[in-house]
Amino acid sequence: SAVISQKPSRDICQRGTSLTIQCQVDSQVTMMFWYRQQPGQSLTLIATANQGSEATYESGFVIDKFPISRPNLTFSTLTVSNMSPEDSSIYLCSAYRASEETQYFGPGTRLLVL
Amino acid sequence: AQSVAQPEDQVNVAEGNPLTVKCTYSVSGNPYLFWYVQYPNRGLQFLLKYITGDNLVKGSYGFEAEFNKSQTSFHLKKPSALVSDSALYFCAVRPIRMDSSYKLIFGSGTRLLVRP
Repeated sequence: SAVISQKPSRDICQRGTSLTIQCQVDSQVTMMFWYRQQPGQSLTLIATANQGSEATYESGFVIDKFPISRPNLTFSTLTVSNMSPEDSSIYLCSAYRASEETQYFGPGTRLLVL
Repeated sequence: AQSVAQPEDQVNVAEGNPLTVKCTYSVSGNPYLFWYVQYPNRGLQFLLKYITGDNLVKGSYGFEAEFNKSQTSFHLKKPSALVSDSALYFCAVRPIRMDSSYKLIFGSGTRLLVRP
């Protein structure tokens, strides 16, 4: 399995500000992803974080709102920009380990925007 | 459109009884199939997967799942439920595509409640 940590674990932010979430994997992985989840609901994929190139965004998500970096094979960041209360959610990063053909998830960042 | 269905929002079972959480999918080809569990205020935890081979796969915490190709189902099972199994369970499918995408399609989730 992969051990994935996220920082911060939770935050309360003011409208109009930005928050950067960090995701660290304990070893090199092929792919990293960012998801959004409303409590008790299913997951929505925001983007695939590509190492050394721009992230690939899903329909409905744009780089200006959710800029993503992936400087190496074990680390990625997601920024939620110009936040509004509608951005209140759980943000999860995941990592795909090719040797196990399995995607593993971090513990999530719980964001509340006031 | 490709999709994953978990027809039950909630499954209630008494401790010690067998449990089943249902999952069916509509994906072309031979996808990879996964089950994840999410405990309160936690991330998703990998339980088990089916890629190929025996239709009955065993996973963590005594869970197993049965793959049925003709019914395109991948139901999660456990012979004897524990109160600590109470959590939110997600079925996920990875279509096998030429573009080598590793994206998962998730079901809507099923809340399992095991009563003492």
